[in-house]
Amino acid sequence: AQTVTQSQPEMSVQEAETVTLSCTYDTSENNYYLFWYKQPPSRQMILVIRQEAYKQQNATENRFSVNFQKAAKSFSLKISDSQLGDTAMYFCAFMKPMDSSYKLIFGSGTRLLVRP
Amino acid sequence: NAGVTQTPKFQVLKTGQSMTLQCAQDMNHNSMYWYRQDPGMGLRLIYYSASEGTTDKGEVPNGYNVSRLNKREFSLRLESAAPSQTSVYFCASSEWEGGREQYFGPGTRLTVT
Repeated sequence: AQTVTQSQPEMSVQEAETVTLSCTYDTSENNYYLFWYKQPPSRQMILVIRQEAYKQQNATENRFSVNFQKAAKSFSLKISDSQLGDTAMYFCAFMKPMDSSYKLIFGSGTRLLVRP
Repeated sequence: NAGVTQTPKFQVLKTGQSMTLQCAQDMNHNSMYWYRQDPGMGLRLIYYSASEGTTDKGEVPNGYNVSRLNKREFSLRLESAAPSQTSVYFCASSEWEGGREQYFGPGTRLTVT
């Protein structure tokens, strides 16, 4: 069974600085997807970034980028120029397409605090 | 375009009571999901529906039933609520093609006393 591990329960960063959140996963599959979701205090789950396992190039979305190491089964999220609005829980998630459904397996989350 | 909507936003039940959580999406997605989120944990899949007319168990289905009423709506029913079902419940939807990302509703906070 696939598992997702986020080893940092909490992290803190100064506004405008860079922070990296860690995620590792365990799978024997070759084709899959990885996601980072943000959950602010409003509780809404918001997609931050997505990576397809068959793509070697790391995904980037504005200030957010990932370091995807397939052999090491590692998928870290880098947030550059941190903003106060980045304060939230961040969840790493794994998806293996099965038939016509796409089930997400989530890590336990990292709580990020951006300090002014 | 409302995305994924859930009702109610909050609910308090007594042990043994029943209730149905409603979810609807207006993105014409084929697949829909129900998750629960407990403190200190990520979301765990309860049930999912790959397409209209089909439903399947996820990781934690015990104590729940679901109905895919039509392509838009997917409901979650608790027949006899237990304190262990106190949680935040999220509905999500996705399409088979494209980026595979799931779009989430705002969640329902359920407390069972």
